[in-house]
Amino acid sequence: AIQLTQSPSSLSASVGDRVTITCRASQGISSALAWYQEKPGKAPKLLICDASSLESGVPSRFSGSGSGTDFTLTISSLQPEDFATYYCQQFKTYPHIFGQGTRLEIK
Amino acid sequence: VQLVESGGGLVHPGGSLRLSCTASGFTFDSYTMSWVRQAPGKGLEWVSGISGSGTIKYYADSVKGRFTISRDNSRNTLYLQMNSLRVEDTAKYYCAKVKGYNYAADPLDIWGRGTMLTVSS
Repeated sequence: AIQLTQSPSSLSASVGDRVTITCRASQGISSALAWYQEKPGKAPKLLICDASSLESGVPSRFSGSGSGTDFTLTISSLQPEDFATYYCQQFKTYPHIFGQGTRLEIK
Repeated sequence: VQLVESGGGLVHPGGSLRLSCTASGFTFDSYTMSWVRQAPGKGLEWVSGISGSGTIKYYADSVKGRFTISRDNSRNTLYLQMNSLRVEDTAKYYCAKVKGYNYAADPLDIWGRGTMLTVSS
């Protein structure tokens, strides 16, 4: 199965900061990568699909890039509501593995 | 568009349980559906998926041979039959819809609120 390695596992940042989370696949997955945001007590929310396509309603401060094995999620200017846990997921082949998650905390 | 899971509870190790997920607001039989779980304090783990027709099924290695996914398109309902349950199966189980119409290789765009399974003696 394709494995995903997300880094960092946790990150402290301040409102207004630019942050980047990376996700590396164990083999090439083209652009078949999604990013999700999870907040306590809520279901995960799809932010980005196909590595860089922003879902409808997701603020433009979120962006994704990459293809093949290396991917990034960038938040250009952190807002208070962005403090959450973020996961990548590959959907190139089943099983559709998730990364381990990155917990984004307020500094 | 809504997904509502049910059927969670407390089960002894080795026991069985069936989860259900009732869908509304979309053409259920046109979408691949998945189960994803999250153990307490842990990350998301994809568990199983099933094609819109129900003929193609996928499983994570951790549940293969113990869990069975199925669907009843006449009832707009997805199921997860879980047998030989282990303590490590304790998690909140989410039902989720694959984004693409009649397409299996897509991310999950709609999620339920989850149902909790606790496996403990």
